[in-house]
Amino acid sequence: NAGVMQNPRHLVRRRGQEARLRCSPMKGHSHVYWYRQLPEEGLKFMVYLQKENIIDESGMPKERFSAEFPKEGPSILRIQQVVRGDSAAYFCASSRLSGQGVGYTFGSGTRLTVV
Amino acid sequence: QKEVEQDPGPLSVPEGAIVSLNCTYSNSAFQYFMWYRQYSRKGPELLMYTYSSGNKEDGRFTAQVDKSSKYISLFIRDSQPSDSATYLCAMTQETSGSRLTFGEGTQLTVNP
Repeated sequence: NAGVMQNPRHLVRRRGQEARLRCSPMKGHSHVYWYRQLPEEGLKFMVYLQKENIIDESGMPKERFSAEFPKEGPSILRIQQVVRGDSAAYFCASSRLSGQGVGYTFGSGTRLTVV
Repeated sequence: QKEVEQDPGPLSVPEGAIVSLNCTYSNSAFQYFMWYRQYSRKGPELLMYTYSSGNKEDGRFTAQVDKSSKYISLFIRDSQPSDSATYLCAMTQETSGSRLTFGEGTQLTVNP
């Protein structure tokens, strides 16, 4: 029973390029959440998605960032025209449709470095 | 003001010590309180969770919630070098379908 799978583990992009981060939730989980962890800071919520729907994007920067969770395939966090300040660890978590205890499981993250 | 405040440390203790980690929060709507452990360059893993006020014990770990004071704690007894990690408190209004709000994390080192 694989956990939350994120890839790539490490991603290096030059300023102005696009970054695509992928997240496959645990089997049976239909909620996906993206969090960002800047150096020396805690995790900050970005967006919450269900299949084909964005439920809460209140933590997403207004420009350059977008997320999707299509009917088939992984959830994608997309950052256009990356800048040095986007360098961070991006974590995905998933949970079940209906809560049975606390069901948030995190992936190992994608570490984005913008050079 | 941050919704969740956590002393970032770092905290360094000798092996066998009792460790106390704490968070305070301002949002009275939070109902579920969690502690995550995060090793360097890894994702957070859930250690403990409690619902509303009270205590919960699991082996060497005890989580306490005092909703009247908006204060939560994690105690680690007989600390081991393998406990060296960053500990993050997190809270949410629901068990799923709701975002987690995290503290900044406390970096703990247990020295052999």
